[in-house]
Amino acid sequence: ETGVTQSPTHLIKTRGQQVTLRCSSQSGHNTVSWYQQALGQGPQFIFQYYREEENGRGNFPPRFSGLQFPNYSSELNVNALELDDSALYLCASRSGLAGESSYNEQFFGPGTRLTVL
Amino acid sequence: DQQVKQNSPSLSVQEGRISILNCDYTNSMFDYFLWYKKYPAEGPTFLISISSIKDKNEDGRFTVFLNKSAKHLSLHIVPSQPGDSAVYFCAASAWGSNYKLTFGKGTLLTVNP
Repeated sequence: ETGVTQSPTHLIKTRGQQVTLRCSSQSGHNTVSWYQQALGQGPQFIFQYYREEENGRGNFPPRFSGLQFPNYSSELNVNALELDDSALYLCASRSGLAGESSYNEQFFGPGTRLTVL
Repeated sequence: DQQVKQNSPSLSVQEGRISILNCDYTNSMFDYFLWYKKYPAEGPTFLISISSIKDKNEDGRFTVFLNKSAKHLSLHIVPSQPGDSAVYFCAASAWGSNYKLTFGKGTLLTVNP
């Protein structure tokens, strides 16, 4: 059983550029969530995709957008990068079933460290 | 506004002793709570959870206590082991939020041999 993988591991961009981060969900999982973890903070919910549709969004501006593909892998796109976008971006996948198991069996990837200069 | 608070940035305990990590929340709509452990260069790993209909959940060395009236939960690790050294995050979710998690800032636990 393959876990959640993310690419790239690290990325350096300059202000104003655009970036795409990728996430492969765990086998059998059809729901993917993205979180931003700034230095010294806890992860903050960006949005969630279920069966290729966004079905939940946190307090992030529209320049944060995403996609989910038929194989349930996902992309996070950030346009017009700002210095404050520097953070660890975490992807998490789960089965999409209702109940406690859906919480408890949500698995996180190792993250992508984005640095904006 | 921070809806989930972990007021201790760090905690240091001796191997074999009890570690107690605390978490407070402000949103009364939260009805499910989780603890995650995070090592450097890895994603958070689920540790233990508790539903708001319970006040205690135990799994091996780990026990989570929930005090709804005080909006407080704690994670007890007994006995603590050096391998438990990591950042521990408290997270909460509200019914109907599509399993969105709200995290605290984390507590760095160091277990000294």
